[in-house]
Amino acid sequence: GAVVSQHPSRVICKSGTSVKIECRSLDFQATTMFWYRQFPKKSLMLMATSNEGSKATYEQGVEKDKFLINHASLTLSTLTVTSAHPEDSSFYICSARDRTGRTYNEQFFGPGTRLTVL
Amino acid sequence: EDKVVQSPLSLVVHEGDTVTLNCSYEVTNFRSLLWYKQEKKAPTFLFMLTSSGIEKKSGRLSSILDKKELFSILNITATQTGDSAVYLCAVLTQGGSEKLVFGKGMKLTVNP
Repeated sequence: GAVVSQHPSRVICKSGTSVKIECRSLDFQATTMFWYRQFPKKSLMLMATSNEGSKATYEQGVEKDKFLINHASLTLSTLTVTSAHPEDSSFYICSARDRTGRTYNEQFFGPGTRLTVL
Repeated sequence: EDKVVQSPLSLVVHEGDTVTLNCSYEVTNFRSLLWYKQEKKAPTFLFMLTSSGIEKKSGRLSSILDKKELFSILNITATQTGDSAVYLCAVLTQGGSEKLVFGKGMKLTVNP
């Protein structure tokens, strides 16, 4: 149990286009989902916290108009990178917290999406 | 600014060796410290430490937290090639916005 999927796993796009990444909790309900990005040889950086049915909370320095997050249901959150540029190329990972979870080890990570912007 | 620092950043050992990974932190609202193992994709959970001085063990892995000195160590004994991975330390902050702050990770390579 406690599986989180991401789609697509890898995407290559042209500069200026928008890319949508989906994060799904497959067998549990997630009231909260988190979006991270990871550059090579760097740590995971939290971009935003997404709560079902409400607006996402963005970390300092993350442009909310560029990285649109929607968490419309208890099993799905989406991250849209708008007008992507080469510097947006990165590994994007989502995690989902089990609705019943009281401890943080019940936060489960998706497999990640490798975005390459040409 | 919340900060998590891991050392060393990379390590190469031979099978059977014992390794110690270090993680120090400076955060304003500490709740717990977590260790993850990251191979090719998503991090997988290893330990969560909330109290000082209580060792957590899982097979050949063990970890302990020192909240006075603000650090944690992760030990791996009798290493195997399958232990090769990036090990991430993260601190969970509490308060209005609960979040994980990650260190840069430590790349461990275990050679046969």
